[in-house]
Amino acid sequence: DTAVSQTPKYLVTQMGNDKSIKCEQNLGHDTMYWYKQDSKKFLKIMFSYNNKELIINETVPNRFSPKSPDKAHLNLHINSLELGDSAVYFCASSQGYSGITTQYFGPGTRLLVL
Amino acid sequence: DAKTTQPPSMDCAEGRAANLPCNHSTISGNEYVYWYRQIHSQGPQYIIHGLKNNETNEMASLIITEDRKSSTLILPHATLRDTAVYYCIVRANTGGFKTIFGAGTRLFVKA
Repeated sequence: DTAVSQTPKYLVTQMGNDKSIKCEQNLGHDTMYWYKQDSKKFLKIMFSYNNKELIINETVPNRFSPKSPDKAHLNLHINSLELGDSAVYFCASSQGYSGITTQYFGPGTRLLVL
Repeated sequence: DAKTTQPPSMDCAEGRAANLPCNHSTISGNEYVYWYRQIHSQGPQYIIHGLKNNETNEMASLIITEDRKSSTLILPHATLRDTAVYYCIVRANTGGFKTIFGAGTRLFVKA
């Protein structure tokens, strides 16, 4: 019973391609997130959705477009992939988004752009 | 969110207590201290959080100093599976938040 799942787990693609990463949570949470973990292992938030509404949009290139079809799903579409997009992308969810909220993370999607 | 400082790495013998320190000297009154860990190739895992009082759960204990400028995560009986990177995060309890995980402390539990 995976609480937060992501597909695919690994993604290898060429520069310039468009790709999507999917995330689903079965915890009944109303808030979902995308994080990027770079080569230095720093994990930084990219987007956050609450009840399908965008609430956090950090300084992320507009090649990255999140889509939340419902509260249980938050997908990430990336256009015109660049070498610097290579990283591990983590999806997370929580109930609410205040500071006392606990986030639950997915297993990550390892993206390698060649 | 306030900045945190953690040692880059620590060792601990299996079965002994692992005490991981975190400095958050600029913490403000409405900010909670959270601890997560990331075992190799997995997503971060929530461990514990607290505001002022010490907290304990089935995974760990959190000791927060009276001035709240530092805290210690205690794993009472470390096992090899506790080898991971441990992140200390300070987060406000109002509004949306932007959790940023820094470098953390890489804990090596040795047999």
